[in-house]
Amino acid sequence: SQKIEQNSEALNIQEGKTATLTCNYTNYSPAYLQWYRQDPGRGPVFLLLIRENEKEKRKERLKVTFDTTLKQSLFHITASQPADSATYLCALARNYQLIWGAGTKLIIKP
Amino acid sequence: EAGVAQSPRYKIIEKRQSVAFWCNPISGHATLYWYQQILGQGPKLLIQFQNNGVVDDSQLPKDRFSAERLKGVDSTLKIQPAKLEDSAVYLCASSLGRQQETQYFGPGTRLLVL
Repeated sequence: SQKIEQNSEALNIQEGKTATLTCNYTNYSPAYLQWYRQDPGRGPVFLLLIRENEKEKRKERLKVTFDTTLKQSLFHITASQPADSATYLCALARNYQLIWGAGTKLIIKP
Repeated sequence: EAGVAQSPRYKIIEKRQSVAFWCNPISGHATLYWYQQILGQGPKLLIQFQNNGVVDDSQLPKDRFSAERLKGVDSTLKIQPAKLEDSAVYLCASSLGRQQETQYFGPGTRLLVL
């Protein structure tokens, strides 16, 4: 069955540094992969989408890479700020549906 | 543009009681999703509607859960009778169409079953 793994432990990063989150998957080749941000008590908010034929996607301080050979996506936040603290979820597309990872909690310390 | 609306935001019930959640998607969005998110886990799809038809309900516990989307707009999700393990956040999301990748989520309904 499809398995998506994200770091279950919280990631603590000093403000101003680059935060890197990992999403690994098995048993599937998704057409695209998405990253969402979720704050406590709120629904996920879409951040970036990267397709299987794209290596990298950027949006302001965010960067996503997608390695279909390694079956891995990396999500980077450069010049991190305390306001970036949240849980970040990756989701893989399968038959017009999204299969979700459990998310990684990111904490940016001032 | 108004976002996805959900109500209630919180609900506490006892096991074996029934509960209903309501969702109003973004205007013009044909596809509507109900997810269950247990603490510390990612969202799990319960049911997906395309307009007022069901596209996928393979993970919906049909012996106790039901959902409808009359007129292809608002949707309700019902649990009857509730079990302790149903304690979770129930998220509603919508997208322009089935092939539109981005999903827009409501704030969720936090359910506690005692």
